[in-house]
Amino acid sequence: EAGVAQSPRYKIIEKRQSVAFWCNPISGHATLYWYQQILGQGPKLLIQFQNNGVVDDSQLPKDRFSAERLKGVDSTLKIQPAKLEDSAVYLCASSPGGHREQFFGPGTRLTVL
Amino acid sequence: QKEVEQDPGPLSVPEGAIVSLNCTYSNSAFQYFMWYRQYSRKGPELLMYTYSSGNKEDGRFTAQVDKSSKYISLFIRDSQPSDSATYLCAMGQTGANNLFFGTGTRLTVIP
Repeated sequence: EAGVAQSPRYKIIEKRQSVAFWCNPISGHATLYWYQQILGQGPKLLIQFQNNGVVDDSQLPKDRFSAERLKGVDSTLKIQPAKLEDSAVYLCASSPGGHREQFFGPGTRLTVL
Repeated sequence: QKEVEQDPGPLSVPEGAIVSLNCTYSNSAFQYFMWYRQYSRKGPELLMYTYSSGNKEDGRFTAQVDKSSKYISLFIRDSQPSDSATYLCAMGQTGANNLFFGTGTRLTVIP
């Protein structure tokens, strides 16, 4: 069974630029999550999708972050404009349902200069 | 007070040692408890999942949950160099969407 795929793996941008990350979840998984993991910290949930609908985006900084999940499969997370404090690893995870047993992708490491 | 507290370490042990990793939490509504292993530059990988209080064993790994003390543990027996990674605890409550993670404990097993 293929795992969660993410791209790119690494991205370096300057502050105020925009950036987008892509995630392809495990086939058949209805729930998709985006997490932000700052160095030395645990992952923090940004947004959760159930199929193509948003379940929880309470911790998403909506003035600069946006996410969508087209057709309930792939998802993109965008930051515009980026700030220095957005430097982190952005993890995508999926699960068959609910928040139990989430399967994580390798992450995208973002550096904002 | 953070929802989940975890000693970040680092923790270094010799090969073959028993390792004890711990987390405490403040929300008594948490019912699901998980341990993830994260290798450098990789995503977290689910190791153990337990519901409510009690013990669960899987090979060299044992997870314990003490809800009365709001304390969870992961024990690794006969530790191997391949166990060197960061271990994250995570927990959530029934009917809620969010998983709360600890900061992770970095473990090194020395051959």
